[in-house]
Amino acid sequence: KNQVEQSPQSLIILEGKNCTLQCNYTVSPFSNLRWYKQDTGRGPVSLTIMTFSENTKSNGRYTATLDADTKQSSLHITASQLSDSASYICVVSGGGGNKLTFGTGTQLKVEL
Amino acid sequence: DAGVIQSPRHEVTEMGQEVTLRCKLISGHNSLFWYRQTMMRGLELLIYFNNNVPIDDSGMPEDRFSAKMPNASFSTLKIQPSEPRDSAVYFCASGDLGPHSAFFGQGTRLTVV
Repeated sequence: KNQVEQSPQSLIILEGKNCTLQCNYTVSPFSNLRWYKQDTGRGPVSLTIMTFSENTKSNGRYTATLDADTKQSSLHITASQLSDSASYICVVSGGGGNKLTFGTGTQLKVEL
Repeated sequence: DAGVIQSPRHEVTEMGQEVTLRCKLISGHNSLFWYRQTMMRGLELLIYFNNNVPIDDSGMPEDRFSAKMPNASFSTLKIQPSEPRDSAVYFCASGDLGPHSAFFGQGTRLTVV
C-alpha cells in the first residue's frame, strides 16, 4: 500500500534555530517527491520538488534531501523565523498512474 | 495575475442541500486539481483535469460528488446531497506541468450541519 509518513507530528523551536522534518514513503514506483508549506487558513505552497536522481535541493533557507534507496526525505530549515510557523506536507507522486500520496504533515511552531 | 481564485471562501449549509464550489484557474495553466483537507485525513486529491478533460477521478469519495470544467479557466465541484461528513476545506489548484506543479487557491471552508 502506498503510504507517506511524516515525523514529528508537531515541533516547537526557538527563532534562529535549525530543524529537520522527516518523510518516509512506500510509494512504488516512485516519480517525484514534493514538500509544501501551508500557512494557517491558506493553500499549500510548493517549496521543492525532487526526482529520483536528485539528492539535495535548496530553496532559500529550506533544503530538501532525498534517499531513494531507503525511501526517505528530509526538509531542513536553517535559521528559523517566526514566519516559518506552518504545516509542512510531504507529497509523493508515483504508485502507478502518477497518483499523489500525501503525508499528514508536520506542524511547526517557531517561538521567540 | 491574481492566482487561483476560489469562491465562496466559507459555506455553511444544511444536510441534504446542494453545494457548488467554484474555481478560476491561473491564466495559461492547463491542469486543474480539486483537493479536500480535514484534520483526520489530511490533504486528499479528489480529481484532476488536463486540458478540460478529467484524467483521474479515483479520489472522488462517491457519486454525490461531481466536478466539471466547462471551459479552460473555470471549474466547479458540486456535492448533492451534502452530508455533515463532507465538512472540510476544499482546495482548487492549477498547474501547467502535471500534478507536481500545482498552485493552490485559498480554499473554501465547507460546514454541513
